Amino acid sequence: AQTVTQSQPEMSVQEAETVTLSCTYDTSESDYYLFWYKQPPSRQMILVIRQEAYKQQNATENRFSVNFQKAAKSFSLKISDSQLGDAAMYFCASRSYGGSQGNLIFGKGTKLSVKP
Amino acid sequence: DVKVTQSSRYLVKRTGEKVFLECVQDMDHENMFWYRQDPGLGLRLIYFSYDVKMKEKGDIPEGYSVSREKKERFSLILESASTNQTSMYLCASSFMGKETQYFGPGTRLLVL
Repeated sequence: AQTVTQSQPEMSVQEAETVTLSCTYDTSESDYYLFWYKQPPSRQMILVIRQEAYKQQNATENRFSVNFQKAAKSFSLKISDSQLGDAAMYFCASRSYGGSQGNLIFGKGTKLSVKP
Repeated sequence: DVKVTQSSRYLVKRTGEKVFLECVQDMDHENMFWYRQDPGLGLRLIYFSYDVKMKEKGDIPEGYSVSREKKERFSLILESASTNQTSMYLCASSFMGKETQYFGPGTRLLVL
């Protein structure tokens, strides 16, 4: 079974600084997807970034980028130039390629605070 | 834009009541999901459906059932609500074979 571990329950960053959220996962699959989702306070969960395991290049979406280390089963999220609107719960998730009609396995989340 | 809506943002029910949580998506997605979110536990899958009238148990189906009579609508049913079902419930949907799930705003349920 797949598992996803987020070891940082809470993180804090100064506005305009860079922060990295950690995620490790365990899977026996050779092909899978990895995701970071963001859930702002009292707002809808949205996809931040995703990575296909077969791609060696790290995914990037504007100020958000990942450091995907397949051998180490690590998938960290880097937020550059942090903004107040980045304050949220961040969930790391994985999904087997082609399996189970798209079931996601989520970590327990990291609460990110952004200080002005 | 994909829109996933849930019938209530907040709900207060009494122990033993039958509770219906509704989810509707407008993007013709085949897959629909119900998750439960609790502090420190992340999101846990209750049930999912990959087609009308089809359903599969997730990780924590006990005490819940689901119904999918139409493609756009997926209902979560608490047959006899209990206090340990007080939680945030999130609905999500996705295209078959596509990995990105789109989430609704959530229903915060309090069972007294």
